[in-house]
Amino acid sequence: QVQVVQSGAEVKKPGASVKVSCKASGYTFTGKNVHWVRQAPGQGLEWMGRITPGGGGTRYPQRFQGRVTVTGDTSTNTVYMDLSSLRSEDTAVYYCASHYEGGLDVWGQGTTVTVSS
Amino acid sequence: QAVVTQEPSLTVSPGGTVTLTCGSSTGPVTSGHYPYWFQQKPGQAPRTLIYDTSNKHSWTPARFSGSLLGGKGALTLSGAQPEDEADYYCSLSYSGASVFGGGTKLTVL
Repeated sequence: QVQVVQSGAEVKKPGASVKVSCKASGYTFTGKNVHWVRQAPGQGLEWMGRITPGGGGTRYPQRFQGRVTVTGDTSTNTVYMDLSSLRSEDTAVYYCASHYEGGLDVWGQGTTVTVSS
Repeated sequence: QAVVTQEPSLTVSPGGTVTLTCGSSTGPVTSGHYPYWFQQKPGQAPRTLIYDTSNKHSWTPARFSGSLLGGKGALTLSGAQPEDEADYYCSLSYSGASVFGGGTKLTVL
């Protein structure tokens, strides 16, 4: 079955970092774009970056430059999103989404990250 | 960073037709922006309905179609069903960086 499964919910204190994983099964991430998208409570979708595992590079929006890092491990078919210097506004559901046959056709279930002192 | 604009809310009658649009602050939307359309229902992850302007997935109901219209990306729903009530987001690509619109809350009433 083609799917991506994300890691579980996280609770972090302001200033900390969080690392969310996204593991594909039924296909390989290698050579396919994997995106990270977040959604704060009651808000819209926000693009956080993408990676093409296997050497295709990364791309981030200007507002997250230096604070978000997306990495990939082709040996475990897993992509990671690391967000540092967390603040309360980073409280959100974080989704990974990938191309399988094309067109961002596979989405993870979402990971809730709560930033609270 | 570019700003992508969508109607905040729209209402359509059951069986009716409605067009949602996706505009860009940088100028006309073209196929080179690879417009995507996503549907999200409460408590669910988004799902992709339309990609690269007009391509559908196997799960995309035939009543949805994507196009370019008047310098904007467009999602047309023809023959609205109650289950189409949802939030709809578009995204545009700017040299490999994606930007989402603010979303359109579609009510079927």
